[in-house]
Amino acid sequence: KAGVTQTPRYLIKTRGQQVTLSCSPISGHRSVSWYQQTPGQGLQFLFEYFSETQRNKGNFPGRFSGRQFSNSRSEMNVSTLELGDSALYLCASSPEGGRDNEQFFGPGTRLTVL
Amino acid sequence: AQSVAQPEDQVNVAEGNPLTVKCTYSVSGNPYLFWYVQYPNRGLQFLLKYITGDNLVKGSYGFEAEFNKSQTSFHLKKPSALVSDSALYFCAVRDGGSTLGRLYFGRGTQLTVWP
Repeated sequence: KAGVTQTPRYLIKTRGQQVTLSCSPISGHRSVSWYQQTPGQGLQFLFEYFSETQRNKGNFPGRFSGRQFSNSRSEMNVSTLELGDSALYLCASSPEGGRDNEQFFGPGTRLTVL
Repeated sequence: AQSVAQPEDQVNVAEGNPLTVKCTYSVSGNPYLFWYVQYPNRGLQFLLKYITGDNLVKGSYGFEAEFNKSQTSFHLKKPSALVSDSALYFCAVRDGGSTLGRLYFGRGTQLTVWP
């Protein structure tokens, strides 16, 4: 089975712009989670989608949003980019998102905001 | 609130020696514990998990972890370290409550194994 894929792998944007990141989960996985990784804050949970519904959300401002499509692919959007949004954004999928399911991570999208 | 602590930012060990990467946690209810490893410019790779049952869990690449409920710890161990084990290791916890898929991660421990 192919792993979790994320596109693009690298992105450079300027302050005030918006960006959309894409994630394709492992085939058959219905739960997709997003995390932000920075040297200062570590790994922080953004949100989780299951069957096209957001069922969990972290403590991020409303500029961060996401969605999931019927084929379980997910996108996250960041509007009005700030310098502090520079980070590695990781997508993870699991079959049902249950408590005992491990999550499988993609390689990440490295976002740089100038 | 759920939290994970990895008290050591860095662990250095000689190849062939045993290694331990420490993790303590705090959750309400039963913990679901995970270890992940991250190599440079890569995503996280799953190593092992504790859900219930035997306190000693065996995982990928010869790693194992010991769950200790009284000490709320879940230390990662390997009997004989390899240079290729050098990477960033993350402990994560999920509680048995309503947060479902969400993982709470520690800050990570950089493991360096020298030849």
